[in-house]
Amino acid sequence: EVQLVESGGGLVKPGGSLRLSCAASGFIFSSYSLNWVRQAPGKGLEWVSSISRSGSQIYYADSVKGRFTISRDDAKSSLFLQMNSLRVDDTAVYYCGSTPGNRAYWGQGTLVTVSS
Amino acid sequence: EIVLTQSPDTLSLSPGERATLSCRASQTVSSSYLAWYQLKPGQAPRLLIYAASSRATGIPDRFSGSASGTDFTLTINRLEPEDFAVYYCQQYGGSPRTFGQGTKVEIK
Repeated sequence: EVQLVESGGGLVKPGGSLRLSCAASGFIFSSYSLNWVRQAPGKGLEWVSSISRSGSQIYYADSVKGRFTISRDDAKSSLFLQMNSLRVDDTAVYYCGSTPGNRAYWGQGTLVTVSS
Repeated sequence: EIVLTQSPDTLSLSPGERATLSCRASQTVSSSYLAWYQLKPGQAPRLLIYAASSRATGIPDRFSGSASGTDFTLTINRLEPEDFAVYYCQQYGGSPRTFGQGTKVEIK
């Protein structure tokens, strides 16, 4: 069974840090470029970051550039998002998923709440 | 940055009807790298269409996508009860990989 399972979300104070993980199983993880996308409460989807299959090409939304770092560990079939200097407007459900293609995989998300 | 504008914001239809959702890009989308997603509360995003008109594996053929210049359309023929959800377009041809604001398809 194909699965992407996010973890690491929770409640953090403004200025704090969190590291999200996304564990994959059931498909060839290293063959896919991957993404983090988020949905703030009552809002639409917002793209956050992408990483290529090799890890050599990385992109960020302006809203997180300089604060978030995406990485991958193909040996562990895992994707990560290190989030520093968190702000209240980073509060959202964070989803990991593969770049659109014939087969695409997405997790059910992990909630990050930034509040004092 | 490519801005995607979806219309309408809400579509009220009955099961069995056809839904036509629009996504207009502010500039050319590279190689038609335009996708459509379905999102339901508490569920993972579901990729329906990639490359503007290709159905992802496992997606029923009542879902179809088309493109004309910077205008993209998602058509859902014969709406099923499980199709009532929010739909998003996304361009992934460059960075940032922007989403449209979403169209909610609700039961009339």
